[in-house]
Amino acid sequence: EPEVTQTPSHQVTQMGQEVILRCVPISNHLYFYWYRQILGQKVEFLVSFYNNEISEKSEIFDDQFSVERPDGSNFTLKIRSTKLEDSAMYFCASSHPPTANYGYTFGSGTRLTVV
Amino acid sequence: AQSVTQPDIHITVSEGASLELRCNYSYGATPYLFWYVQSPGQGLQLLLKYFSGDTLVQGIKGFEAEFKRSQSSFNLRKPSVHWSDAAEYFCAVVLLSGGYQKVTFGTGTKLQVIP
Repeated sequence: EPEVTQTPSHQVTQMGQEVILRCVPISNHLYFYWYRQILGQKVEFLVSFYNNEISEKSEIFDDQFSVERPDGSNFTLKIRSTKLEDSAMYFCASSHPPTANYGYTFGSGTRLTVV
Repeated sequence: AQSVTQPDIHITVSEGASLELRCNYSYGATPYLFWYVQSPGQGLQLLLKYFSGDTLVQGIKGFEAEFKRSQSSFNLRKPSVHWSDAAEYFCAVVLLSGGYQKVTFGTGTKLQVIP
């Protein structure tokens, strides 16, 4: 079954540094998403992306965050100046309507630790 | 707005005992329902999903879930729990219509298995 691939699996960064989390969605999917899970909490929606623009973003997704699809295969989440509270597991997902036929798939996540 | 409720934050069962994890959703439209499992420090693993058809869905690792529209529930069950099933379980829902589709997660149920 096709997979969403995320790299790296674990990243440690110093507070104030920029990080880029990378994702390779399923090739025929059209919609791309980032979710976040702070340790011990539930998975929360960050942003959705379609046709090279943001479709929806949550209040978590402030000016420190940006997303990009730099080429035909990658989908990235950038955090410009990391804060301690950005430490979390970040999940990428992709989908293709109708979801019932083509599915909605999550990657295995990138654990970001800000020190 | 869509929402998912997992009433049990923490459940403890004996190895070999049966298990039922509760999930209720709030939705007016046809939902697409998932159960995910997450081991400590790991990503989300899809256990099973439902979007139509037979209301009893079989998943991996011996899990099954039953969709009950009248009760707005999608409870996860396993007849005999193994120690390796200790993990956190998340119910999730996405609306089956439109283009992009945001997934809403429940708060999770932590399962502890005792010998």
